Amino acid sequence: GQQLNQSPQSMFIQEGEDVSMNCTSSSIFNTWLWYKQDPGEGPVLLIALYKAGELTSNGRLTAQFGITRKDSFLNISASIPSDVGIYFCAGQKTQGGSEKLVFGKGTKLTVNP
Amino acid sequence: GAVVSQHPSRVICKSGTSVKIECRSLDFQATTMFWYRQFPKQSLMLMATSNEGSKATYEQGVEKDKFLINHASLTLSTLTVTSAHPEDSSFYICSAGRLGVSKETQYFGPGTRLLVL
Repeated sequence: GQQLNQSPQSMFIQEGEDVSMNCTSSSIFNTWLWYKQDPGEGPVLLIALYKAGELTSNGRLTAQFGITRKDSFLNISASIPSDVGIYFCAGQKTQGGSEKLVFGKGTKLTVNP
Repeated sequence: GAVVSQHPSRVICKSGTSVKIECRSLDFQATTMFWYRQFPKQSLMLMATSNEGSKATYEQGVEKDKFLINHASLTLSTLTVTSAHPEDSSFYICSAGRLGVSKETQYFGPGTRLLVL
């Protein structure tokens, strides 16, 4: 199935550093979402972006929806150990009458104290 | 708000048996429920979409007779893996769609780890 191109695949950073990850697609999406998944858990929604060019923050997280609706980035500022996990971008579009999600392959974040 | 539960959280079964997984939206009525499968170190892949009271829509390559989905109410959907085989071992995650201000947002359950021996 279709997947988004998410990079980097993994990141190893020191506590306090800023982090940036991004996703691109050849398709246009109505909505972009960023999720975080801890081991053995389901994804948790971090930020939802609905409008092209939209810049949204949630605490130390900031995400932007690309003007072309084909890309998005997520920034995490001043990382802390609990930021460890896998971050997934997801594009949402209407297909077959339902709002379906297409996921990126994830960015595994490791934060060293 | 927007809590989704799954039961069981993990299950081990013998090859050839059937396993039922429940997905419930606890504090909202879900317009649509989705079932995903996630293999180790992989992303989530959509298996099927279900709406209450109607047949599920399966993604290409997903066997509808093997993965039976019943969406009995606006808060409950079940996935039954029939005649399970070791290759069906995976992490199964459901999500429930909740209509927000302008868009339907999916909220995910905690997942069910299935191991088929």
